[in-house]
Amino acid sequence: DIQMTQSPSSLSASVGDRVTITCRASQTISTYLHWYQQKPGKAPNLLISGASTLQSGVPSRFSGSGSGTDFTLTINGLQPDDFATYYCQQTYSFPQTFGQGTKVDIK
Amino acid sequence: QLQLRESGPGLLKPSETLSVTCDVSGGSIGSSSYHWVWIRQSPGKGLEWIGSIYYTGTTDYNPSLKSRVTISVDRSKDQLSLRLNSVTAADTGIYFCARQQYRNSGLDPWGQGTLVTVSS
Repeated sequence: DIQMTQSPSSLSASVGDRVTITCRASQTISTYLHWYQQKPGKAPNLLISGASTLQSGVPSRFSGSGSGTDFTLTINGLQPDDFATYYCQQTYSFPQTFGQGTKVDIK
Repeated sequence: QLQLRESGPGLLKPSETLSVTCDVSGGSIGSSSYHWVWIRQSPGKGLEWIGSIYYTGTTDYNPSLKSRVTISVDRSKDQLSLRLNSVTAADTGIYFCARQQYRNSGLDPWGQGTLVTVSS
């Protein structure tokens, strides 16, 4: 199985901050990497697909980059609605594995 | 707009069979070349991909669960099903269904999930 490792596991930030979350794959996955946002009691919501393609309706302050094994999710200008847990997922090979999540909370 | 809604037993005893369904509305489960996916979430293991079924009926399963899991589709009901045999406490979690446009795409949308607890 491909292991997905996110860092940090949690972070505290203030409204307006720039936040960066990284995701590393245990082997190359091209750009078959997707980012999700999950709020308590809700299902994950797809934010970015193919490492860098913003989904329809997702604010432009979210961006993704990377290829191969190293990927980044950036939030430019954190908003109150962005406090949540973020997950990466690889769909390069089965089983399609997820990172352990990064919880973003209020400083 | 496509919507997914899971239903499950809530509480199971060890060794019983978990059976969860996912009702698809706002679209037909068999009309387009999508993959339909089951994922679960537990405090101990985070998000875990269980398996998927293509609209043709071809399935892929997580090797860690393959001996116990069956995913199927009922096109007449626009319903996706998951069966997991011989459950233990480790199978406790929230079970989600989701759609995947291509095998390598992200998952969108997801259902709201259904909590299944395994306890004696």
